[in-house]
Amino acid sequence: AQKVTQAQTEISVVEKEDVTLDCVYETRDTTYYLFWYKQPPSGELVFLIRRNSFDEQNEISGRYSWNFQKSTSSFNFTITASQVVDSAVYFCALSETSTDSWGKLQFGAGTQVVVTP
Amino acid sequence: DSGVTQTPKHLITATGQRVTLRCSPRSGDLSVYWYQQSLDQGLQFLIQYYNGEERAKGNILERFSAQQFPDLHSELNLSSLELGDSALYFCASSGDNPYNEQFFGPGTRLTVL
Repeated sequence: AQKVTQAQTEISVVEKEDVTLDCVYETRDTTYYLFWYKQPPSGELVFLIRRNSFDEQNEISGRYSWNFQKSTSSFNFTITASQVVDSAVYFCALSETSTDSWGKLQFGAGTQVVVTP
Repeated sequence: DSGVTQTPKHLITATGQRVTLRCSPRSGDLSVYWYQQSLDQGLQFLIQYYNGEERAKGNILERFSAQQFPDLHSELNLSSLELGDSALYFCASSGDNPYNEQFFGPGTRLTVL
């Protein structure tokens, strides 16, 4: 069963618009970690953020912000004032801490963000 | 640049063949992970090694195997290749804590004809 759901396949925005990417996860672990990665057209996977299940404080890094809500099992990502360079596929991932997990990342299907000038 | 290197960048081969993908983790990282990215399956975890020992296994086919050497580099061996094995194969590394962020290499794009 899919443990990370990114329901938005593609989002198209015009430069300077804000864009929010949804991520819903499913786990029975009480301790777990959530991640966001960016995959630009060049293909590499770039780490953006890591969050543990006990830290529900929202985080802001420049134009990026993350909203973690344990009550709804969501870890959403917002890009403020989008730029063309933000065009990429964004992946949400879950790392569970049960014995056989050992840090393996379980990725969502990804959301393609297209920012046009 | 993540500090993780993968070779080769591209690989084109025929069905039935065997290939080896190589990965060098970031300096000091003991954990190496392999992932496969394909259009139909998305990003899937294959296998993880920590300081030379296999620690976790995911959706890795029996035709695939991996190992991590004493110098911590890792190799992923794919044999009896099928058309469906065409994909982007990523290696990632992380430090002592397996739940730290993983840093990904540029990937090896495998095309099986």
